[in-house]
Amino acid sequence: KNEVEQSPQNLTAQEGEFITINCSYSVGISALHWLQQHPGGGIVSLFMLSSGKKKHGRLIATINIQEKHSSLHITASHPRDSAVYICAVKQGGSRLTFGEGTQLTVNP
Amino acid sequence: DTAVSQTPKYLVTQMGNDKSIKCEQNLGHDTMYWYKQDSKKFLKIMFSYNNKELIINETVPNRFSPKSPDKAHLNLHINSLELGDSAVYFCASSRGLAGVYNEQFFGPGTRLTVL
Repeated sequence: KNEVEQSPQNLTAQEGEFITINCSYSVGISALHWLQQHPGGGIVSLFMLSSGKKKHGRLIATINIQEKHSSLHITASHPRDSAVYICAVKQGGSRLTFGEGTQLTVNP
Repeated sequence: DTAVSQTPKYLVTQMGNDKSIKCEQNLGHDTMYWYKQDSKKFLKIMFSYNNKELIINETVPNRFSPKSPDKAHLNLHINSLELGDSAVYFCASSRGLAGVYNEQFFGPGTRLTVL
């Protein structure tokens, strides 16, 4: 079993819908990343957080350290949000352990 | 101004060949990484260097050898390429080792295809 589990693996939504992607982990961490990988392949860091909540535009990330769980929310989703969203946890030092990603498709 | 750049973007080669992928960052970061993304899109750490010193060396065949000539560069050399080496390889960098807010910045990836 992977130390970082994401759900769902695939998600299809209609434009405008509110989207939630979940990440659960089983190890002690110092921080958690949410990354976005577009169809072209490039990886962009969306958030890095260790507690509470962060917001950037239509994206919101929350983390509950006690429950070892994080969520990524997208409000008013748009087709350009279609991408793979990857959760990664930072353990000791600089090592990142990745989830398998969630493929999001937003239809117009 | 590309923060983390990799060359080449695509690499197609025959089994048994030796090839290198180069990575450069202009962010002034101390730590650089190589990740492999397999066909299922799963990312896994391979190596990490901090100030030109190897600090993470995962269970990777010794045909893979990273080289860091200076803090801004981390190259990946692969000997005797095998079919299973086909993947996308990502370079990344961060300001330091520890620290909650040492965010990693990724390069565009190099798609390696071994025929």
